[in-house]
Amino acid sequence: GQQLNQSPQSMFIQEGEDVSMNCTSSSIFNTWLWYKQDPGEGPVLLIALYKAGELTSNGRLTAQFGITRKDSFLNISASIPSDVGIYFCAPQTGANNLFFGTGTRLTVIP
Amino acid sequence: DARVTQTPRDKVTEMGQEVTMRCQPILGHNTVFWYRQTMMQGLELLAYFRNRAPLDDSGMPKDRFSAEMPDATLATLKIQPSEPRDSAVYFCASGLSGAETQYFGPGTRLLVL
Repeated sequence: GQQLNQSPQSMFIQEGEDVSMNCTSSSIFNTWLWYKQDPGEGPVLLIALYKAGELTSNGRLTAQFGITRKDSFLNISASIPSDVGIYFCAPQTGANNLFFGTGTRLTVIP
Repeated sequence: DARVTQTPRDKVTEMGQEVTMRCQPILGHNTVFWYRQTMMQGLELLAYFRNRAPLDDSGMPKDRFSAEMPDATLATLKIQPSEPRDSAVYFCASGLSGAETQYFGPGTRLLVL
């Protein structure tokens, strides 16, 4: 079966620092999505990537779809306290089928 | 501001009791998903529906779990009988077929004692 590895599992950083997390898979995907889950809420879509090699930004967030289509990374620049939460990669094979990574739990220390 | 709603938000029950969780997808969305989230397993897909028909429920323990969509505005997930290992947060999400974005509800936090 396909394996999806997300790292790191957790991060404790100082406010203002940059954050980087990534996902790697044993399978090829057509789409990579990144979701954020605030405490006590459901995940919310942050960024969607559709092409191998694609680099996309959304404010302080930058994500890239790996050239092999088996990996993706998410960077957050100049972190702020409201960035706290769990970040999930969610590659998609099609037909709405998402696979969620295990999540990266981010704590931002003011 | 269209949102997925889920009820109840929290449920505490005793082992052996029936639990029913409800979800109202965003109006117009034709795909509905049920997920379970635990610390150990992360987010697991239990089942999903398109146009009210179940497309995949392979992630769901069939002996005690059942999922239905009585109509386009209501999805239900039932556990009977419940067990302590069912304790988790259950999320419903909805979307449009062919579109990658899933919109998640706030979840039902279930504790089975």
